[in-house]
Amino acid sequence: LAKTTQPISMDSYEGQEVNITCSHNNIATNDYITWYQQFPSQGPRFIIQGYKTKVTNEVASLFIPADRKSSTLSLPRVSLSDTAVYYCLVGDDRGSTLGRLYFGRGTQLTVWP
Amino acid sequence: EPEVTQTPSHQVTQMGQEVILRCVPISNHLYFYWYRQILGQKVEFLVSFYNNEISEKSEIFDDQFSVERPDGSNFTLKIRSTKLEDSAMYFCASSEGHSGNTIYFGEGSWLTVV
Repeated sequence: LAKTTQPISMDSYEGQEVNITCSHNNIATNDYITWYQQFPSQGPRFIIQGYKTKVTNEVASLFIPADRKSSTLSLPRVSLSDTAVYYCLVGDDRGSTLGRLYFGRGTQLTVWP
Repeated sequence: EPEVTQTPSHQVTQMGQEVILRCVPISNHLYFYWYRQILGQKVEFLVSFYNNEISEKSEIFDDQFSVERPDGSNFTLKIRSTKLEDSAMYFCASSEGHSGNTIYFGEGSWLTVV
């Protein structure tokens, strides 16, 4: 499975747009890119998933360049409640690792008033 | 929005005791998982379950652990003889399929072994 690298921490202020970039240089052809959010003492919460180009939903956008070696999670107009750890995961559930997600340390996003 | 539910939210048990953690996956999902997170550490995969059998398990999932789907709605994780190092948050998760399908997590069961 492709290893991912993301910043350990980021700070932002309320109302700003936050972009968290994840590197996955060894991504395989079949790999999807998935982002999860985790609050303390809670389960990881799915945010967005994509394969290429741009994906947008009601909470975030995911930008994936043509070479797919990186991806950027974009959170528009963050609020205090967006303070959490954000995980970038890359993997193919079609492989032998059926549903086996590999979580790294993630990015601790802190939003300040 | 459908969700994965887990009980209990918190359990304290003595070392050597058996513990059963319960989960109700999302109703139309076919794949079920257990993960755990020791305080301050990464979320770790324990086991995946499909069609009433284990699909894959990690090195953490030794003979002390077992999983079961006793009926059409529940999915359980049993730890036969708990150790101090089993203290962690245990997350149940489920997905509709496994090919690029999203995995949804429950809120977790916090297990404290004393």
